[in-house]
Amino acid sequence: DSGVTQTPKHLITATGQRVTLRCSPRSGDLSVYWYQQSLDQGLQFLIQYYNGEERAKGNILERFSAQQFPDLHSELNLSSLELGDSALYFCASSVGGDWGNQPQHFGDGTRLSIL
Amino acid sequence: DAKTTQPNSMESNEEEPVHLPCNHSTISGTDYIHWYRQLPSQGPEYVIHGLTSNVNNRMASLAIAEDRKSSTLILHRATLRDAAVYYCILPRDNYGQNFVFGPGTRLSVLP
Repeated sequence: DSGVTQTPKHLITATGQRVTLRCSPRSGDLSVYWYQQSLDQGLQFLIQYYNGEERAKGNILERFSAQQFPDLHSELNLSSLELGDSALYFCASSVGGDWGNQPQHFGDGTRLSIL
Repeated sequence: DAKTTQPNSMESNEEEPVHLPCNHSTISGTDYIHWYRQLPSQGPEYVIHGLTSNVNNRMASLAIAEDRKSSTLILHRATLRDAAVYYCILPRDNYGQNFVFGPGTRLSVLP
């Protein structure tokens, strides 16, 4: 158990819809990271928040947005969903904001299926 | 594209040591080398990371070449539960992309 909690575990929805994925980091961790893992793209970094502020941005689409709340949990919002958005979405957390020299601890992921 | 290169797959026998290589010839002086693994149907799991000298923890050892252009993850006694995809990662790739997971090395452990 990594201590990172993601909900829901599975989500099925239709094209054009909007969903929200939730992540609670490990106790004491201030950074939250979001990743997308699909069969053809592998594991891709989307975005990092540190103590409520956006810290680093990866290959995140404009249709996607994220935020980190004062209690440090984070939400990833995906809108105007397309079939290609079907993937596993992982959240990870770390103690500090400098992801270059510290471990990230991953949750079990949310499997999103677009019909 | 990730700036690390790993073999696509490796096999090991149970209870034998495993040496997983990684080449990172364009590493910068401040880049830490990270290793993660992903077991089937699970999220990635942190294994180890290091900068210059060799590192040990309860899971594995990391041997870093003196010129830092390559490293080796060492599992001292492979178990069936070590069968996973192992990723060698640098914090930033040649295109400035953060924490890029390449295809990794798929490790099979034979009983």
